[in-house]
Amino acid sequence: DQQVKQNSPSLSVQEGRISILNCDYTNSMFDYFLWYKKYPAEGPTFLISISSIKDKNEDGRFTVFLNKSAKHLSLHIVPSQPGDSAVYFCAASANFGNEKLTFGTGTRLTIIP
Amino acid sequence: DTGVSQNPRHKITKRGQNVTFRCDPISEHNRLYWYRQTLGQGPEFLTYFQNEAQLEKSRLLSDRFSAERPKGSFSTLEIQRTEQGDSAMYLCASSLAMLENEQFFGPGTRLTVL
Repeated sequence: DQQVKQNSPSLSVQEGRISILNCDYTNSMFDYFLWYKKYPAEGPTFLISISSIKDKNEDGRFTVFLNKSAKHLSLHIVPSQPGDSAVYFCAASANFGNEKLTFGTGTRLTIIP
Repeated sequence: DTGVSQNPRHKITKRGQNVTFRCDPISEHNRLYWYRQTLGQGPEFLTYFQNEAQLEKSRLLSDRFSAERPKGSFSTLEIQRTEQGDSAMYLCASSLAMLENEQFFGPGTRLTVL
């Protein structure tokens, strides 16, 4: 039972354009959502998070949008840079992040120079 | 603050052998998590500690797996009688037990069971 889904295994975007990564979840108990970035042979690196009391959170080039009614969130990266090429994981937690994380399967983002 | 560290980074073992991994969390973090990641999948939760107490174990964690966190600092994950299906990246993360607080991950230990 995949409670967090990232339906796009890969995405290619031109440098300077916007990258949009999507994530869907099924568990209504999830109320805290995070995006992690992962390079090969490294652990995931935290990017940005959002709690269910908000619908948008912004940090520099990264913005996360949450649509609770659709159980959908998205990560926008603008402008995209070559260093953004990595695998991006969406994760969700209950109890406002005070519990274990449930991850999606990841989206490999490739930024084309 | 040197981040979360894990040792060893790589471990190759033969089927049936026991292996032990170590995780050192960020020093002030009281929560410590273990996850496992296989190729093409996201990390899957195994177990977590708050201080020295093990608060939750996944049903993925068979009785061949045991984790400890003596004195609430570093943690060890032991796998007994390893099987080829145990081959994976084992990730450790730490956090403060508070709301809306992210988990910080270590670099992982890659286990290969031959």
